[in-house]
Amino acid sequence: DQQVKQNSPSLSVQEGRISILNCDYTNSMFDYFLWYKKYPAEGPTFLISISSIKDKNEDGRFTVFLNKSAKHLSLHIVPSQPGDSAVYFCAASARSSYKLIFGSGTRLLVRP
Amino acid sequence: NAGVTQTPKFQVLKTGQSMTLQCAQDMNHEYMSWYRQDPGMGLRLIHYSVGAGITDQGEVPNGYNVSRSTTEDFPLRLLSAAPSQTSVYFCASSRQGREHREQYFGPGTRLTVT
Repeated sequence: DQQVKQNSPSLSVQEGRISILNCDYTNSMFDYFLWYKKYPAEGPTFLISISSIKDKNEDGRFTVFLNKSAKHLSLHIVPSQPGDSAVYFCAASARSSYKLIFGSGTRLLVRP
Repeated sequence: NAGVTQTPKFQVLKTGQSMTLQCAQDMNHEYMSWYRQDPGMGLRLIHYSVGAGITDQGEVPNGYNVSRSTTEDFPLRLLSAAPSQTSVYFCASSRQGREHREQYFGPGTRLTVT
């Protein structure tokens, strides 16, 4: 049973437009959520996170939104750039745990 | 800082062989973990450690052993390799503290078991 789901395996957007990547979770004990970016043949790199006490966190072109009632979070990238093309993983962690549970990833392609 | 380093980058094993995947970090992080990544399945936690001498199982621990004798090193041992263990393996580390759950990943080891 997948506790963290990324239902879109891929997404293609035009350079300069907004990219929206979605993630759903089922475990109500999750209280910390993270997004990672992964290029081929490299390890995942941390992008942005959000605690369950917030509903939004911004870092430059990246914003993560959390809707606790819907158990849904999204990552917005504005404006999208070709260098953003990568696989994006959503991850979640429960309070008092350091374990991260990952979604299956969404491959983003930003077209020039 | 080198961050999290992993060796080897690539490895081919025959079924039944054993080997150790090495992982080291120079950030003085207490928490270390091993994940495997398989197509369409994201990253799954194999084993983790919250400090030297302390290890615990993750989601998919069968077929793997770990130990943590120092803060810096967290090797992953495959005792008898099986084709189902063909995967990309990532080691990660992070600080302790509920507000610091970001984990930093190594570059990965691509393992093929024939």
